[in-house]
Amino acid sequence: AQSVAQPEDQVNVAEGNPLTVKCTYSVSGNPYLFWYVQYPNRGLQFLLKYITGDNLVKGSYGFEAEFNKSQTSFHLKKPSALVSDSALYFCAVRPTSGTYKYIFGTGTRLKVLA
Amino acid sequence: EPEVTQTPSHQVTQMGQEVILRCVPISNHLYFYWYRQILGQKVEFLVSFYNNEISEKSEIFDDQFSVERPDGSNFTLKIRSTKLEDSAMYFCASIPAGGGPFEQYFGPGTRLTVT
Repeated sequence: AQSVAQPEDQVNVAEGNPLTVKCTYSVSGNPYLFWYVQYPNRGLQFLLKYITGDNLVKGSYGFEAEFNKSQTSFHLKKPSALVSDSALYFCAVRPTSGTYKYIFGTGTRLKVLA
Repeated sequence: EPEVTQTPSHQVTQMGQEVILRCVPISNHLYFYWYRQILGQKVEFLVSFYNNEISEKSEIFDDQFSVERPDGSNFTLKIRSTKLEDSAMYFCASIPAGGGPFEQYFGPGTRLTVT
């Protein structure tokens, strides 16, 4: 079965420190990969996506993500965390054939401490 | 920037009642989705819709649920006889077309409370 795993329910990081939110997937082929952020009582907002090419993709608000094909991972990173980055982060995967469904991870709550 | 809108923002209903949640996707988008999220946890796929037909649906999307695009703009999710466990945030999303690496555009959600 196709799945996306976000192994950490919560990540705590001090403001100014680098952050990583992990995502691995089990989807056949070369899927499209996405990160979304959700602030309290809001919908999901798109951060960035990987389609093909350079393994490091840059997105909104200073976030970037590193794609690793051999490890089927797509970890979200930011060099210097802000308190305002505290939110719920979702990794999502879209297979490139057979379905137009997006498969979401269970979400990771990021808490940036001042 | 164009956005997906959803109404109402909060709906309270009694168990057994019918509810209709409304979404207005981005105007030139063609592929639509409904998701639900219980208590700020995981985002669960309910259904996708294209060309006035259901494209895919999950096990959650049973006979109590239906979707419709009654006109050129609205996209609705109906729950015929609500249960307590239907209490959740419901999100609508859209993409320009089915194929391609499109990110989904999400609405702000409707909080459904079943009492």
